[in-house]
Amino acid sequence: EAGVTQFPSHSVIEKGQTVTLRCDPISGHDNLYWYRRVMGKEIKFLLHFVKESKQDESGMPNNRFLAERTGGTYSTLKVQPAELEDSGVYFCASSQVTTGELFFGEGSRLTVL
Amino acid sequence: QKEVEQDPGPLSVPEGAIVSLNCTYSNSAFQYFMWYRQYSRKGPELLMYTYSSGNKEDGRFTAQVDKSSKYISLFIRDSQPSDSATYLCAMSATGGGNKLTFGTGTQLKVEL
Repeated sequence: EAGVTQFPSHSVIEKGQTVTLRCDPISGHDNLYWYRRVMGKEIKFLLHFVKESKQDESGMPNNRFLAERTGGTYSTLKVQPAELEDSGVYFCASSQVTTGELFFGEGSRLTVL
Repeated sequence: QKEVEQDPGPLSVPEGAIVSLNCTYSNSAFQYFMWYRQYSRKGPELLMYTYSSGNKEDGRFTAQVDKSSKYISLFIRDSQPSDSATYLCAMSATGGGNKLTFGTGTQLKVEL
């Protein structure tokens, strides 16, 4: 069974550009999470989807970040316009139930120049 | 002050050594405690999961939680070179589900 897959694995963009990260959760997992790790800091929660609904988006840093999960399958995280401080590794994770084991993808590394 | 404090290391030990990794936390609402292992350029993978205080053992790994001291530990016995990775503690509050608060991670290297 395929794990959580993320695309792209690495993206390098200029400040002010737009980037869209994609996450495909494990099939059948209704719960999808986005986390982020910026350089030298801990991994931090961004938001949680249950199916296509945003359950908790308290960790989203500002309105330059937009997450969607149309149809309750894959999710996208768009950063527009990107700023230097957005550089980091964006992890997607999924779980079958809200308190079930969380499975992480390998992350999408974003570099904003 | 961070909610979860974890020494980043790096920690270098010889093969076969017992490794002790620790985290302290400040939020008394945390009830669920996890240890994740992360290899370079990979995502974190769950190693141990503990609810409230107490010990849990799984093979060479033992997790301990002391809620009175707000202190959690992970012990690795008979450490192997394949244990070389970054170990992340994570925790969540009741009702928080998988909204996890992570430590910064401790980088461990087990040398031959």
